[in-house]
Amino acid sequence: DGGITQSPKYLFRKEGQNVTLSCEQNLNHDAMYWYRQDPGQGLRLIYYSQIVNDFQKGDIAEGYSVSREKKESFPLTVTSAQKNPTAFYLCASSPRDRGTYTFGSGTRLTVV
Amino acid sequence: AQSVTQPDIHITVSEGASLELRCNYSYGATPYLFWYVQSPGQGLQLLLKYFSGDTLVQGIKGFEAEFKRSQSSFNLRKPSVHWSDAAEYFCAVALSGGYNKLIFGAGTRLAVHP
Repeated sequence: DGGITQSPKYLFRKEGQNVTLSCEQNLNHDAMYWYRQDPGQGLRLIYYSQIVNDFQKGDIAEGYSVSREKKESFPLTVTSAQKNPTAFYLCASSPRDRGTYTFGSGTRLTVV
Repeated sequence: AQSVTQPDIHITVSEGASLELRCNYSYGATPYLFWYVQSPGQGLQLLLKYFSGDTLVQGIKGFEAEFKRSQSSFNLRKPSVHWSDAAEYFCAVALSGGYNKLIFGAGTRLAVHP
């Protein structure tokens, strides 16, 4: 069955470290997205990509970076510049038209 | 700017009671409208969507929603709630056409009493 896989499910980061969250999809979707979820704030868009080798900043891109070298993969790096990285991170993908999003099961990142 | 408002942060209902979750949007064009559900620690699952046509749409798990253009609303309803419906519910809108960057509401957390 097709779907989106996020790994790891839980991730711990020390202060000053960069960490990379994995997102892989086998749905043949063109577009992929990263959202951050904090309690009471819904989902906020970090980055999105509509095509390989191209991506755009969302509403809260500062302190994050992404790449889209393959259609199936859209990894997110949380850099040391992100001052408050503890959150639940969700990856999603959608087809080109009338894109209904398919979500991964999320990665919970905690700074220790 | 486009926005989505879910006025109720938290709702508690008794099992078997009816449910209505409110969603209002601010958008100049005709939007695509969605409701998603999230269980704790999980991703989001699509309940239903509205693109065009009949303004009353049916979804999974017995949910339905009605699009009211005059009120800029897309409220989610269920006639009889089950304990397993306890979760967080998100309304979302997207521009019609092309790639759809979704804008989410802040969510409504539903608790179900036995």
